[in-house]
Amino acid sequence: NAGVTQTPKFRVLKTGQSMTLLCAQDMNHEYMYWYRQDPGMGLRLIHYSVGEGTTAKGEVPDGYNVSRLKKQNFLLGLESAAPSQTSVYFCASSPPRAFDEQYFGPGTRLTVT
Amino acid sequence: LAKTTQPISMDSYEGQEVNITCSHNNIATNDYITWYQQFPSQGPRFIIQGYKTKVTNEVASLFIPADRKSSTLSLPRVSLSDTAVYYCLVGDGGYSTLTFGKGTMLLVSP
Repeated sequence: NAGVTQTPKFRVLKTGQSMTLLCAQDMNHEYMYWYRQDPGMGLRLIHYSVGEGTTAKGEVPDGYNVSRLKKQNFLLGLESAAPSQTSVYFCASSPPRAFDEQYFGPGTRLTVT
Repeated sequence: LAKTTQPISMDSYEGQEVNITCSHNNIATNDYITWYQQFPSQGPRFIIQGYKTKVTNEVASLFIPADRKSSTLSLPRVSLSDTAVYYCLVGDGGYSTLTFGKGTMLLVSP
């Protein structure tokens, strides 16, 4: 099992550009999450999904959109990137009703210039 | 919402036992205590979870006293590869109770 995978691993964007980060999991987990982690800070939840076709806002959702068209995939979109979105993005998944038992991907390092 | 407090950093040497304590004075009856480990440039990894008394797995032990107002993550005979940030989380498994704080940065030296 690959677990949770993220694509791409690194990306540099110019301000105003758009991009989509892809997260895939092969554990048949119902719940999936997107976090960002900035230097010296913990993880902050951007959006999450409790099932195919459903999404919800987390702590810092502004500037991001998500979609969960398939159970195994969770996409994070930046429509107009800003330097404040420079961060490391982590995707995670968990069994249902187990927000505290999450399995994380390796992360995507995004730089917006 | 149960808030957790843990040391910002700890230092240790190879072969020592490391105990990281987390305080959670207002833990609720339905809350579990969960610890994650994050290596540099990697995502956090779930390592152990408990409700009361002691839980042990191949990675660590978790000690929870009867009042459950604190918990201690114990790493036996640490090695350099145990250098990581350790997060303590308290919650009932619901989204509203899941918060990753800044964690404890454990540095293991030779």
